[in-house]
Amino acid sequence: DIQMTQSPSFLSASVGDRVTINCKASQNINKYLNWYQQKLGEAPKRLIYNTNNLQTGIPSRFSGSGSGTDYTLTISSLQPEDFATYFCLQHNSFPDTFGAGTKLELK
Amino acid sequence: EVQLMETGGGLVQPGKSLKLTCATSGFTFSTAWMNWVRQSPEKGLEWIARIKPKSTNYATEYAESVKGRFTISRDDSKSSIYLQMNSLKEEDTATYYCTILYVYWGQGTLVTVSS
Repeated sequence: DIQMTQSPSFLSASVGDRVTINCKASQNINKYLNWYQQKLGEAPKRLIYNTNNLQTGIPSRFSGSGSGTDYTLTISSLQPEDFATYFCLQHNSFPDTFGAGTKLELK
Repeated sequence: EVQLMETGGGLVQPGKSLKLTCATSGFTFSTAWMNWVRQSPEKGLEWIARIKPKSTNYATEYAESVKGRFTISRDDSKSSIYLQMNSLKEEDTATYYCTILYVYWGQGTLVTVSS
C-alpha cells in the first residue's frame, strides 16, 4: 500500500495567515491527489482534486500543487471558517489511502 | 441534489454481525462506483470496500483489513448499497461513510464493537 505522510499534524495560525500543508507519498502517485476539509461531526468535503483542480464552490484562497511524491495544499489567507482538519487522499494505486490529517487551530 | 444517508450503525459485541445501508438520491446510481470508508481516532480515514456498476458485473474490491469478513452489495432498484459486516472486532469501531468517488459523502453511521 502507498503510505501518505502528512505534515504537520497540528498547525496554529491566525486569520489572514498563509498556510501550507504537505503530503508525501511513499511512491509516485502521478498527481492523483485530493485534499479534503473536515469539521467536527461532518463528513469530509473535497477541496482540490488531482493535485490542483479546485472543486466547484470552493473559494480560490485554496490551491494545490505538487508532483511525483510531494504535494501541497495552500490556503492563501485564512478565514475563520477554515479552522478544521485537512486530509489528503491518493487514488493512483489500489488501495486508495489517506493521510493522517492536519488539525488547523486558531492561534 | 446528491444525497447519501447511512443507517444501521450501533453497539455490537465482538464476533457478531451488523449490516449498514446507504440510501442515495440525486444522481444516476446505476453507473456509479460506490465506496465505504471508515474513520476512527486510531486509524484515521480508511477505504474499506468498493462496488462497481452492472457493466463490470458488480465487481467488488476490499481492503485487507476487512476481506473475508465484510461484503459490499448494491440494489440499483433502490439506489442503495449495503455493507454486511461479520465477525466484528473491536478495531472495527469507527464511523462508516458511503461515498461516490470521494466527492459526495453521507453523514456517517457510528459502529461500536464492544463487549
